[in-house]
Amino acid sequence: ELKVEQNPLFLSMQEGKNYTIYCNYSTTSDRLYWYRQDPGKSLESLFVLLSNGAVKQEGRLMASLDTKARLSTLHITAAVHDLSATYFCAVDVLNTGNQFYFGTGTSLTVIP
Amino acid sequence: EPEVTQTPSHQVTQMGQEVILRCVPISNHLYFYWYRQILGQKVEFLVSFYNNEISEKSEIFDDQFSVERPDGSNFTLKIRSTKLEDSAMYFCAIASGRNAEQYFGPGTRLTVT
Repeated sequence: ELKVEQNPLFLSMQEGKNYTIYCNYSTTSDRLYWYRQDPGKSLESLFVLLSNGAVKQEGRLMASLDTKARLSTLHITAAVHDLSATYFCAVDVLNTGNQFYFGTGTSLTVIP
Repeated sequence: EPEVTQTPSHQVTQMGQEVILRCVPISNHLYFYWYRQILGQKVEFLVSFYNNEISEKSEIFDDQFSVERPDGSNFTLKIRSTKLEDSAMYFCAIASGRNAEQYFGPGTRLTVT
């Protein structure tokens, strides 16, 4: 069974600090997606990583993918309160159809 | 970014009743998906749909679930006899191609009492 694990599950950080969320997955894949979810809301696409070594940045968030290590990271730089949300990674495994396997989620709270 | 609407936004139903959740993609996309998210948990795949047939389904998608695209526009998820454990957020997603980025609708909150 494919597993997609994130850590930490819960993260409380002060504004202005940096931190990294990790997403590990248990099978070969070169497609990984990051989504943001606000409470009671839908999933907002943040990053699409389609190859080994891919790095994407948007504002205070930067995502990277290491397919050999089966690891993706979401790095937060100088956190602000507006970044408080739950972040999910999702893995797309070729040849298994077209379902996404979602990680366990990381609930981020940025404290003023 | 493609738009997807879902109706209703919230559905309350009694155990054993049938519910139909609807998804309306605003743009022309070929691949459709249903996911669910039980409160506080991760998002789980239910089913994918392409060319008017199911292309893949998960273990969750048992005989009480069905999907169809009756009029070439709406994409529906039917739960024939709801159970308490069906209470969740149900998200529709669309994609332009196999293994392409998926765009999620706002979700339908289903509460089974």
